[in-house]
Amino acid sequence: NAGVTQTPKFQVLKTGQSMTLQCAQDMNHNSMYWYRQDPGMGLRLIYYSASEGTTDKGEVPNGYNVSRLNKREFSLRLESAAPSQTSVYFCASSDGLAGGNNEQFFGPGTRLTVL
Amino acid sequence: AQKITQTQPGMFVQEKEAVTLDCTYDTSDQSYGLFWYKQPSSGEMIFLIYQGSYDEQNATEGRYSLNFQKARKSANLVISASQLGDSAMYFCFLSRGSSASKIIFGSGTRLSIRP
Repeated sequence: NAGVTQTPKFQVLKTGQSMTLQCAQDMNHNSMYWYRQDPGMGLRLIYYSASEGTTDKGEVPNGYNVSRLNKREFSLRLESAAPSQTSVYFCASSDGLAGGNNEQFFGPGTRLTVL
Repeated sequence: AQKITQTQPGMFVQEKEAVTLDCTYDTSDQSYGLFWYKQPSSGEMIFLIYQGSYDEQNATEGRYSLNFQKARKSANLVISASQLGDSAMYFCFLSRGSSASKIIFGSGTRLSIRP
């Protein structure tokens, strides 16, 4: 089992460019999440998906869009990147209810720099 | 509003000693969960332990235990017999049982183990 995989691992963008971060899990989990981690801080929830076809906003959704393509895949899109979106992005998945009492399994992260 | 506080930005501990990492929280919900994750310098997020608000016993997982004091709203992580490999960032996070939008991470504690 690969667990949670994310692509790419690193990305540098110029202000105003767009890109999509990909995430896939092979654990048959219902719930998936996107977080960002800024230097010296904890993770902040951007968006989550409780099941295929549903998505909901987290704490910091502005500037992002998401798609739950199927049960395995959950993508995060930056339509017009800004320097404030420079961060490490983590995807996670969990069984059962989104935000419930189940362990979240995290991907290795994508380090994004916006110049 | 929900809130998580980790008051120790950094700690140094001698190898083989026990260490307690503090986590206090504030929520008006009756049903919630508290998680601890470890983030080594390599960046991945590793699940350590979980405590549910209705759990009567303190959670334990190997060398990790959780000192859960519900009335004081604290969920401190205790690591017994610390090892050099325990050097990492440690995050506490609060999850409401039915809404992932209210997931909140603490700012973390950087633990350094001295040989």
